[in-house]
Amino acid sequence: QKEVEQNSGPLSVPEGAIASLNCTYSDRGSQSFFWYRQYSGKSPELIMFIYSNGDKEDGRFTAQLNKASQYVSLLIRDSQPSDSATYLCAVRNQAGTALIFGKGTTLSVSS
Amino acid sequence: EPEVTQTPSHQVTQMGQEVILRCVPISNHLYFYWYRQILGQKVEFLVSFYNNEISEKSEIFDDQFSVERPDGSNFTLKIRSTKLEDSAMYFCASSEDRSPLHFGNGTRLTVT
Repeated sequence: QKEVEQNSGPLSVPEGAIASLNCTYSDRGSQSFFWYRQYSGKSPELIMFIYSNGDKEDGRFTAQLNKASQYVSLLIRDSQPSDSATYLCAVRNQAGTALIFGKGTTLSVSS
Repeated sequence: EPEVTQTPSHQVTQMGQEVILRCVPISNHLYFYWYRQILGQKVEFLVSFYNNEISEKSEIFDDQFSVERPDGSNFTLKIRSTKLEDSAMYFCASSEDRSPLHFGNGTRLTVT
């Protein structure tokens, strides 16, 4: 059973702080890793993807991947109230096409 | 920016009825997907479709469900004999290849 685990939160941070969101996965064959943002009642929206170990930065967002530890994280710098949403971690293995999602972490940024 | 389009946005049906959810994927994408999200729960994979056939499906995608690409643009999910527990948001997604998925806005299915 392929599992993607996330702390459901809520994670509360003040405006301007760094938010750190974490995800672990069970399938060692996983090759591609994605972070999506989902506002209440809306569809998932892609934020970032990462395929190789290490860090990948895009604006205020940094994705970090450690395949040995089966761990992927998302850092949001200078958090804004508009970042308040549920953040979904998704994983794809080498053989498959589907993304398997975690339950998501709810982030609340207070002004 | 091209987007995935889903219709209808909300579908209400009676238990036991059949429903068809429709999707128009992004035009140059080759892989198509259906996901569902029961209220308050995680986004669950149902099925992926490539080259006019199912490439992968989950345990949820049983004989009650079927998918079809009836023409060059539409991608449909048929749910036969709907049950109360089929009430959920159904998302269609597409991708160029094994790249990130782009999701449509979803169809909220309510089974009464």
